[in-house]
Amino acid sequence: DAKTTQPNSMESNEEEPVHLPCNHSTISGTDYIHWYRQLPSQGPEYVIHGLTSNVNNRMASLAIAEDRKSSTLILHRATLRDAAVYYCILRDYRTNAGKSTFGDGTTLTVKP
Amino acid sequence: DSGVTQTPKHLITATGQRVTLRCSPRSGDLSVYWYQQSLDQGLQFLIQYYNGEERAKGNILERFSAQQFPDLHSELNLSSLELGDSALYFCASSVVSEGSYNEQFFGPGTRLTVL
Repeated sequence: DAKTTQPNSMESNEEEPVHLPCNHSTISGTDYIHWYRQLPSQGPEYVIHGLTSNVNNRMASLAIAEDRKSSTLILHRATLRDAAVYYCILRDYRTNAGKSTFGDGTTLTVKP
Repeated sequence: DSGVTQTPKHLITATGQRVTLRCSPRSGDLSVYWYQQSLDQGLQFLIQYYNGEERAKGNILERFSAQQFPDLHSELNLSSLELGDSALYFCASSVVSEGSYNEQFFGPGTRLTVL
């Protein structure tokens, strides 16, 4: 399975934008890029996903490099509630979701 | 609230014992996944069921087993428990098993402590 690399931790100030990077140099053409986050004492929750084009939803934006070997999750205005572990995952749409691994993720700390 | 329910929330038991964790997926979701999250191993995929049938297996020990019932709820059975089995166990559900859009909804987890 294609793997992802994320920084262990990042810090941000409240109400400032946050850019969370993810490297996936061995991504295949059938891999979608998914982001999940896990708030303290909760199960992971879906944030956003994309294939080639940049994507926006109410939670975040996903910027995907032209060669698809990296992507960036953008939180436009971080709040204290955004403090969580963020996981970047590759999912081959031809295979089932359980086969993708979550990795260690990036722990985001938001300072007031 | 993801719509996925898990019971019990906490479970404390002794080594060698057997426990059953229960998961009810979101209404309409056919696929159920089980994950184990321990401090040193992160989130590990254990097993997936789709509409009652096993669809994928991950790093699941032989002492562990699962099933999905006709009403789509699932149970994870852990036997001959060891101290190292202490972890958070998450259940997730999704509408389908494969596909480009396959958002997983996670439950709140069951915290298992083996003494």
